[in-house]
Amino acid sequence: EVQLVQSGAEVKKPGESLKISCKGSGYKFTSYWIGWVRQMPGKGLEWMGVIYPGDSDTRYSPSFQGQVTISADKSISTAYLQWSSLKASDTAMYYCARPETASSSVMDVWGEGTTVTVSS
Amino acid sequence: SSDLTQDPPVSVALGQTVRITCQGDSLRDYYATWYQQKPGQAPVLVIYGKNNRPSGIPDRFSGSSSGNTASLTITGAQAEDEADYYCSSRDSSGKRLVFGGGTNLIVL
Repeated sequence: EVQLVQSGAEVKKPGESLKISCKGSGYKFTSYWIGWVRQMPGKGLEWMGVIYPGDSDTRYSPSFQGQVTISADKSISTAYLQWSSLKASDTAMYYCARPETASSSVMDVWGEGTTVTVSS
Repeated sequence: SSDLTQDPPVSVALGQTVRITCQGDSLRDYYATWYQQKPGQAPVLVIYGKNNRPSGIPDRFSGSSSGNTASLTITGAQAEDEADYYCSSRDSSGKRLVFGGGTNLIVL
């Protein structure tokens, strides 16, 4: 079974750093893009960016370029989303997702989400 | 603002048909993908490509496209279809993905 398992909820203070994870299993991790999606409380879905673990090719949506870093460790089939200095506005649910085929933009497998709360 | 524009909240009577639309220039070049999201849950893929449903998605869900508009139709809406629906596609560059703002569907 193809699965994406995300790390647990985080509570952080403004200015702190954070790295959340998304572990893939049941498929060849290096052959599929992984995308990250933000959902702020009560709001819609926003694409943050995608990474191809095979060669670490990473593409950010303009709104998130420079605000977060997406990375992957193919040795442990895990993708990451990290912040160097969190802001209260980073409070949100973050989902990772995998496309149905290697070159597709159709995400048929989703992680359960990681809640990030940033509050002083 | 989003490259894809969706309808404001929509309501449908139980058993009736409802269409949710998504507009954007990139839809002239790329198909829309539709996701359903219920409160407290991750999004679920419901329609992709020309009109494809993943296994497990009821055949009352269908998709279509014309020009810069994609549509998701639910024929015979059920109570369990009450959810937010998001369209997604590539942006005009083809290299990045975008979501529409979402449409909240209420089944009366």
